[in-house]
Amino acid sequence: AQKVTQAQTEISVVEKEDVTLDCVYETRDTTYYLFWYKQPPSGELVFLIRRNSFDEQNEISGRYSWNFQKSTSSFNFTITASQVVDSAVYFCALSEEGNTPLVFGKGTRLSVIA
Amino acid sequence: DGGITQSPKYLFRKEGQNVTLSCEQNLNHDAMYWYRQDPGQGLRLIYYSQIVNDFQKGDIAEGYSVSREKKESFPLTVTSAQKNPTAFYLCASSPQGRGYTFGSGTRLTVV
Repeated sequence: AQKVTQAQTEISVVEKEDVTLDCVYETRDTTYYLFWYKQPPSGELVFLIRRNSFDEQNEISGRYSWNFQKSTSSFNFTITASQVVDSAVYFCALSEEGNTPLVFGKGTRLSVIA
Repeated sequence: DGGITQSPKYLFRKEGQNVTLSCEQNLNHDAMYWYRQDPGQGLRLIYYSQIVNDFQKGDIAEGYSVSREKKESFPLTVTSAQKNPTAFYLCASSPQGRGYTFGSGTRLTVV
């Protein structure tokens, strides 16, 4: 069975601080996909990244970066120089090959204080 | 523009009533999904459909029903058997699981 764990329920940082959101996953499949979504107060999910299980390269997109480590089954997300607009709930999710549903973690609520 | 449309955005239901949430997509995606979100619970899967005229129960299907008569549409009915239906409902679709497009959600409140 698949499982995604986001141990941090809430994080609060001061603007311009760096912050890392943790994600640990479980799956028996060798082919799988990992995702991060942002959910602002409006409620809709904003796609941030998708990574397949065969690509362990870290990725950077502006102030966002992701560290994928299969050895520890982790897919952590770092925001550098956080801004107030980064305040949201962030979800890590996992899917297997094919049209299988996404399995979500419970989310981490990030508050960035000016 | 292609995307997923959920309606209504806000829905109020009296106890004992059935209500139907609409989800329509024009992305030509094969698979569609319904999730429920409660505070602190993340998103939990209610039902999903991988092809027309077929659907499977998710983790919390009790008290809900769905149909998939057309590729574009996957309505969710919240029945009176659902004891605590107040929640935020999100619909999604995917073309072979390589990316998931989400609607903007329906917030259901029991009054």
